[in-house]
Amino acid sequence: AQSVAQPEDQVNVAEGNPLTVKCTYSVSGNPYLFWYVQYPNRGLQFLLKYITGDNLVKGSYGFEAEFNKSQTSFHLKKPSALVSDSALYFCAVRDIPGGSYIPTFGRGTSLIVHP
Amino acid sequence: DARVTQTPRDKVTEMGQEVTMRCQPILGHNTVFWYRQTMMQGLELLAYFRNRAPLDDSGMPKDRFSAEMPDATLATLKIQPSEPRDSAVYFCASGLVPRGWTSGSPLNTGELFFGEGSRLTVL
Repeated sequence: AQSVAQPEDQVNVAEGNPLTVKCTYSVSGNPYLFWYVQYPNRGLQFLLKYITGDNLVKGSYGFEAEFNKSQTSFHLKKPSALVSDSALYFCAVRDIPGGSYIPTFGRGTSLIVHP
Repeated sequence: DARVTQTPRDKVTEMGQEVTMRCQPILGHNTVFWYRQTMMQGLELLAYFRNRAPLDDSGMPKDRFSAEMPDATLATLKIQPSEPRDSAVYFCASGLVPRGWTSGSPLNTGELFFGEGSRLTVL
């Protein structure tokens, strides 16, 4: 079985400060991990993914995420937040091998970046 | 620029009416997902198709909802009769599963591409 948790409903950060959006997961095998972003009145947009290899994954818009197997975490980070980063962020996981093609999404974390 | 196209973007209807939402997946993608998003429940998976065949619709209320893929370029989600509790944003997403897919295949990385959604309001 696969599951993912985003422990924070909302994250507030000042523009220019670093940001972290947390995600933890549970799988039986090895995880494929994803981050998506949803801007207001828009669909989800793929940001980045971890499949294998380097634990630090770089994605779109300056975001990166760090895979930590021992802590079963895949936190999303950005060194310097922009007001335009304000959006809803979803973490998703797939269990490999043996899992289905269907990803499990977290409930989402609302990121608010204050000017 | 390949994208998933959904229609209508907004729909307001009265309880009891039939609602049909349409989705055009990205050309060449062989999987289609329907999700429903609400504030209370977040993202809920309603149906999943691979190569036009329904593989999972366990999240869909069977008595009033139906999902089909009449051809590779069109997926539909129908609600009949609609109820106020169906008010939500409905998303279609598509993805590509490589030929010879198995659940453990490293080729099956599986990011999804979402449409802009259909906002349904049932009065």
